[in-house]
Amino acid sequence: AQSVSQHNHHVILSEAASLELGCNYSYGGTVNLFWYVQYPGQHLQLLLKYFSGDPLVKGIKGFEAEFIKSKFSFNLRKPSVQWSDTAEYFCAVKSPNAGNMLTFGGGTRLMVKP
Amino acid sequence: NAGVTQTPKFRILKIGQSMTLQCTQDMNHNYMYWYRQDPGMGLKLIYYSVGAGITDKGEVPNGYNVSRSTTEDFPLRLELAAPSQTSVYFCASRPGSGNSYEQYFGPGTRLTVT
Repeated sequence: AQSVSQHNHHVILSEAASLELGCNYSYGGTVNLFWYVQYPGQHLQLLLKYFSGDPLVKGIKGFEAEFIKSKFSFNLRKPSVQWSDTAEYFCAVKSPNAGNMLTFGGGTRLMVKP
Repeated sequence: NAGVTQTPKFRILKIGQSMTLQCTQDMNHNYMYWYRQDPGMGLKLIYYSVGAGITDKGEVPNGYNVSRSTTEDFPLRLELAAPSQTSVYFCASRPGSGNSYEQYFGPGTRLTVT
């Protein structure tokens, strides 16, 4: 079974600091990768997704992620975080099974200090 | 469009009670999913449906049941609530066509079983 690992469980940054959240997946076939964000008290929203083509994917709110196939990684980055980026971030990979379900990582809780 | 809606937002159950979590989507999506979210564990798939009348188990189906009598509705049933079912439950949906595989999430139901 495939799995997704997010190694940073909690991250605390000051505003304007750069962000990189790690995501590694185990599935060896063609992958579709996602980053979702969950702001406090809200539902999950899509930040960005990778299907094919340019491995550097740009999403909303200045976020980007790079797919590195050789490393099975899909790390999320933002050059300068804001207080409003405080949220929990989930990496996910599409499974070919179970109705193309998404397999999620454990999440990274980001706190940005003003 | 309201998107994916879930009711109730919060619920406290006693051990052994039963309840139904409601999920409705107005996007005419074929695929619908139920996940549970536990701290540090990401989201785990409980059940999914590829269309009206068709449901199947996900990763953690024990203690739950679902039905899909219409395209719009996908209720999740807990028959004998147990403390292990204390969690936040998310419903999601996605179109059946195309290759987006992006899932759209509802706001969640926070359930406590005591």
